[in-house]
Amino acid sequence: DAMVIQNPRYQVTQFGKPVTLSCSQTLNHNVMYWYQQKSSQAPKLLFHYYDKDFNNEADTPDNFQSRRPNTSFCFLDIRSPGLGDAAMYLCATSLIGSREQFFGPGTRLTVL
Amino acid sequence: EDQVTQSPEALRLQEGESSSLNCSYTVSGLRGLFWYRQDPGKGPEFLFTLYSAGEEKEKERLKATLTKKESFLHITAPKPEDSATYLCAVRVLGNTPLVFGKGTRLSVIA
Repeated sequence: DAMVIQNPRYQVTQFGKPVTLSCSQTLNHNVMYWYQQKSSQAPKLLFHYYDKDFNNEADTPDNFQSRRPNTSFCFLDIRSPGLGDAAMYLCATSLIGSREQFFGPGTRLTVL
Repeated sequence: EDQVTQSPEALRLQEGESSSLNCSYTVSGLRGLFWYRQDPGKGPEFLFTLYSAGEEKEKERLKATLTKKESFLHITAPKPEDSATYLCAVRVLGNTPLVFGKGTRLSVIA
């Protein structure tokens, strides 16, 4: 089945220790998104790619970066995680011009 | 500023007790309103897209409707497995990303 896959599902890191979350998709969608979702809150968009074109939301901290080496994969790098970065990180995909987004299962990040 | 407000924040129903969730929006140039279901610890699951006022979509016990200012997600005779958070999101002009509401947390008690 075509899908959006996120690894790992659960990630524990220490304060200040860099961490990378990964997302892959078999939908062949050209748009990929990273969201941060904290408990009982709406998903908050961090960045998105239209093909290789990177779009950073204005309020995304510099601590967060992203890479998309090819159509299928996208990575979220958190350079120096703080306690406030503990959250669920969601990857989503869509086609340009299509309005529906399809989400992966998320990665739950814990910062100790 | 584009805004999406969902109400109530939480809703507790008895099994079989029908109800509606509300999503009101203030945006310029709506290009689609989306409903998602999110189970605890999982990513949102796409349910419906509505594009124009008067449009309705149905899936099993769920029915989504749209007016020029709000959308309703009607749940008919809910079952405990319908318990989840229901998220509403809108898309405005162009290829702009979705704007999400905070969701309604639904609990259906047997």
